[in-house]
Amino acid sequence: AQTVTQSQPEMSVQEAETVTLSCTYDTSESDYYLFWYKQPPSRQMILVIRQEAYKQQNATENRFSVNFQKAAKSFSLKISDSQLGDAAMYFCAYRGGTYKYIFGTGTRLKVLA
Amino acid sequence: GAGVSQTPSNKVTEKGKYVELRCDPISGHTALYWYRQSLGQGPEFLIYFQGTGAADDSGLPNDRFFAVRPEGSVSTLKIQRTERGDSAVYLCASSPEPGRNTEAFFGQGTRLTVV
Repeated sequence: AQTVTQSQPEMSVQEAETVTLSCTYDTSESDYYLFWYKQPPSRQMILVIRQEAYKQQNATENRFSVNFQKAAKSFSLKISDSQLGDAAMYFCAYRGGTYKYIFGTGTRLKVLA
Repeated sequence: GAGVSQTPSNKVTEKGKYVELRCDPISGHTALYWYRQSLGQGPEFLIYFQGTGAADDSGLPNDRFFAVRPEGSVSTLKIQRTERGDSAVYLCASSPEPGRNTEAFFGQGTRLTVV
């Protein structure tokens, strides 16, 4: 069975600085996608970024980028120029052949003004 | 509406009662998912519909939980004989089609509290 692990329950970053959130996963599948979702207090999960396992190039979406290390089964999220609006819970998720998301336990990101 | 809508937003019920949670997916989305998020945890998969049929219900914890999607659009999650352990946020998501890459759009969830 696939698992997703987020070992940082909480992280803090100063406004305008850079922060990296960690995620590791375990799978025997070769074709899968990895995602980072943001969950603000409104509870709605919002897609931040996605990465296909077959693509070696790390995905980037504006201030958000990932460091995907397939052999190490690591998928970290880097947020540059952090903004107050980035404060939220961040969930790493795996999606393979069964099409359902498998989520980690989340990291609470605090942005300090 | 433009997004996934879940009603009610909050529901308080007494132990042993029956509850129904509703999900209105984005129009045209064929895939629909239910997740349960307990306090301090990530969402856990409950059930996945492709059209009207449940393609995967392996996450339903026991036979007190049941979900339907009779016309391939709105879905209802039904919980019988509620227990305090059922207290959680129940999230619904939909996507245009099933697929590893297809983005799933989430609603704001229903917070269920069993007292």
